[in-house]
Amino acid sequence: GNSVTQMEGPVTLSEEAFLTINCTYTATGYPSLFWYVQYPGEGLQLLLKATKADDKGSNKGFEATYRKETTSFHLEKGSVQVSDSAVYFCALMGADSNYQLIWGAGTKLIIKP
Amino acid sequence: NAGVTQTPKFQVLKTGQSMTLQCAQDMNHEYMSWYRQDPGMGLRLIHYSVGAGITDQGEVPNGYNVSRSTTEDFPLRLLSAAPSQTSVYFCASSYSGQGPGYTFGSGTRLTVV
Repeated sequence: GNSVTQMEGPVTLSEEAFLTINCTYTATGYPSLFWYVQYPGEGLQLLLKATKADDKGSNKGFEATYRKETTSFHLEKGSVQVSDSAVYFCALMGADSNYQLIWGAGTKLIIKP
Repeated sequence: NAGVTQTPKFQVLKTGQSMTLQCAQDMNHEYMSWYRQDPGMGLRLIHYSVGAGITDQGEVPNGYNVSRSTTEDFPLRLLSAAPSQTSVYFCASSYSGQGPGYTFGSGTRLTVV
């Protein structure tokens, strides 16, 4: 079945550091891929998405590229800020999933000033 | 404001009590779902609905009931609360699963003692 694997956290970085959060997936066909962010005490928000191979999703300085050959969708940001501290979830939706998202376990990101 | 509204935000129940978590959306979304979020386990799907009058089970449906009598509302009922149901519950909705992604409510933190 479909699955998503994220790097375990917490990930602790200094402000202005480069960020990578790894996400790999297992799925048949061509799923859509998503990154969601959860700020403390809030619900999840869609950060970015990609619906086909080689697509790059981007938002708020974050980027992720849909890599079919490596089944990956790693999240990157060139210079993180304290306000980026949150939990980040990678998710996929299979081509035949009837709306269902398969979630990674989440990666907590802590940015120190 | 358009979005997903969950009530209550916090609730403490005694073992064996029943209650209903409310979820309402005003975006005319066809798809609605309930998740629970536990530390280290990411999001787990409880029940979902693809339209009024249509519901189905997710990954962890035991102990919960849902109904969808209108497009706007999707309440989650705990039949006989157990300590294992202590969790944060999120409601999410979507117009099209493959399109804009899910909109989440801000969550209900439930403690069963």
